[in-house]
Amino acid sequence: EPEVTQTPSHQVTQMGQEVILRCVPISNHLYFYWYRQILGQKVEFLVSFYNNEISEKSEIFDDQFSVERPDGSNFTLKIRSTKLEDSAMYFCASSRTGRETQYFGPGTRLLVL
Amino acid sequence: DQQVKQNSPSLSVQEGRISILNCDYTNSMFDYFLWYKKYPAEGPTFLISISSIKDKNEDGRFTVFLNKSAKHLSLHIVPSQPGDSAVYFCAASYNNAGNMLTFGGGTRLMVKP
Repeated sequence: EPEVTQTPSHQVTQMGQEVILRCVPISNHLYFYWYRQILGQKVEFLVSFYNNEISEKSEIFDDQFSVERPDGSNFTLKIRSTKLEDSAMYFCASSRTGRETQYFGPGTRLLVL
Repeated sequence: DQQVKQNSPSLSVQEGRISILNCDYTNSMFDYFLWYKKYPAEGPTFLISISSIKDKNEDGRFTVFLNKSAKHLSLHIVPSQPGDSAVYFCAASYNNAGNMLTFGGGTRLMVKP
């Protein structure tokens, strides 16, 4: 069964450093998403991406964040200058159409020191 | 922001019995609802969904009920199995919001053998 994959599974970084989280969505999916879950809190939407552009973003997704689909398979989330409060699990998701089920990857645990 | 709420943080059920997980929402624009199951250190796994044009959807042991007037949905698992022990999240979306999912806080289900 096709699945969303994410790398790395864990990332530790120093405050102020840039990180890039990578995702390979399901191959015939056209809509891509990033969510995050801070420890003990809800899963929160960050951004949705379709047709090579952002279709929606939350208040969390400020200028420090960017997304890119650099090739036909990868979908990346970049945090330019990490803050302590960026420590969280980051989940990538994809869906075939905008109104179909979103399938989630296993997540990247980001720890900012 | 409490647009989607799961008021029971945990639920304990005997194997073979019915598990009922509840979810309430406040945004009347939501028209698509999903339940996800999550194990520690993994991403959410899709279980079942329901559109607002229906009031019930069934898939094997899992049934989701939607009461639009009460803005309430529930997930029934019959019969419950020890492997069902996980955190269950309800999520909701609507068409003009970039398909973003708004998640509840989750309910930890423990099924005792």
